Amino acid sequence: GAVVSQHPSRVICKSGTSVKIECRSLDFQATTMFWYRQFPKKSLMLMATSNEGSKATYEQGVEKDKFLINHASLTLSTLTVTSAHPEDSSFYICSARKASGTSSYEQYFGPGTRLTVT
Amino acid sequence: QKEVEQDPGPLSVPEGAIVSLNCTYSNSAFQYFMWYRQYSRKGPELLMYTYSSGNKEDGRFTAQVDKSSKYISLFIRDSQPSDSATYLCAMRPPPGGGADGLTFGKGTHLIIQP
Repeated sequence: GAVVSQHPSRVICKSGTSVKIECRSLDFQATTMFWYRQFPKKSLMLMATSNEGSKATYEQGVEKDKFLINHASLTLSTLTVTSAHPEDSSFYICSARKASGTSSYEQYFGPGTRLTVT
Repeated sequence: QKEVEQDPGPLSVPEGAIVSLNCTYSNSAFQYFMWYRQYSRKGPELLMYTYSSGNKEDGRFTAQVDKSSKYISLFIRDSQPSDSATYLCAMRPPPGGGADGLTFGKGTHLIIQP
């Protein structure tokens, strides 16, 4: 199997606070994890690519100081939304790619985290 | 022009019908093409993938890629109410170029009427 979990599944926070979202590959090792954001009735937009043991690569327009990514192990990546504002409210989804024996297209997605900033 | 265009629908068809879902794209570097199914408030689930041009069949699902036209399709035969979901096309260039993330279409909301 290739199961990816996310925690929490839903979080509500006040404006100005920080929120951490965890992405775990449960039954495989992932050298690369990806973070996407999806607004209602919109497509998934890649935010950043996270490689284990190195700095994340952010897409154009994504503030790296606002969306802190840590990929400290082969099974865990975290996304921290710092000083969250209402416009950060969205559905955040991670995906993971297997470390070995993989085809380049195989990304397994987590169930997503719905963030609401009040 | 967006990199990947996909009609958001909704597309409503009766149970048992053949469903055709499509995407067009503009980036000729895309080599890997995928279809994901996403239920409401859930993460995407990989359904099909194809590399370059051609067809691929898996059960009731057939994926087609026409690179010359920059056009990909997903066909669902004998559609079932449980197929009701949002279907997203996704694509990416070959590995090693630094762009490992997927570029998604907006998704087509499919409704199969019992």
